[in-house]
Amino acid sequence: GESVGLHLPTLSVQEGDNSIINCAYSNSASDYFIWYKQESGKGPQFIIDIRSNMDKRQGQRVTVLLNKTVKHLSLQIAATQPGDSAVYFCAERESNDYKLSFGAGTTVTVRA
Amino acid sequence: DVKVTQSSRYLVKRTGEKVFLECVQDMDHENMFWYRQDPGLGLRLIYFSYDVKMKEKGDIPEGYSVSREKKERFSLILESASTNQTSMYLCASSSSRDRRYEQYFGPGTRLTVT
Repeated sequence: GESVGLHLPTLSVQEGDNSIINCAYSNSASDYFIWYKQESGKGPQFIIDIRSNMDKRQGQRVTVLLNKTVKHLSLQIAATQPGDSAVYFCAERESNDYKLSFGAGTTVTVRA
Repeated sequence: DVKVTQSSRYLVKRTGEKVFLECVQDMDHENMFWYRQDPGLGLRLIYFSYDVKMKEKGDIPEGYSVSREKKERFSLILESASTNQTSMYLCASSSSRDRRYEQYFGPGTRLTVT
């Protein structure tokens, strides 16, 4: 079946470095993608989203890149901070569908 | 701020017990969802509801049922809990008026079935 998945289950990053979290998707009907952050003991929280008619979107310290040719999504975090330690999920949605499909998640650990 | 609350943060039940997990949202959202979260598997959709008294199966509905009698409340029911239902359960809601259908999550209920 089609699914959304992340390349690496864990990522260790030095504080101050940039982080890149990758996600591959296979549903070519997906037109909307979201990154969520889940801190320990909390539910996932929205970080940033991107529609399929875009290839890049920037937020505060975060950038999402979408490559539809190879069905790849990435989240870049600039100047990673200890508070960025969390599990990051990518999710995708088909047009006019309420439901999201989530990837397995990447656990990011920031080293001091 | 949108608030999604779940009735318990931690729950321990015995095999065969009937278990109710409650979720309440305060933003008048039409859509509500129940997921389970397991290591390495991400979030998997159990059931969702897009209106009062409406429900649809997600990817893994077996062993679960749901109830939505009021717009703000969505309940997940384990008719006869089994050890393989030990998991983190997350509730979410979204608005049909939001073109992005952004989902807002509760803090989760960690259920252990012994």
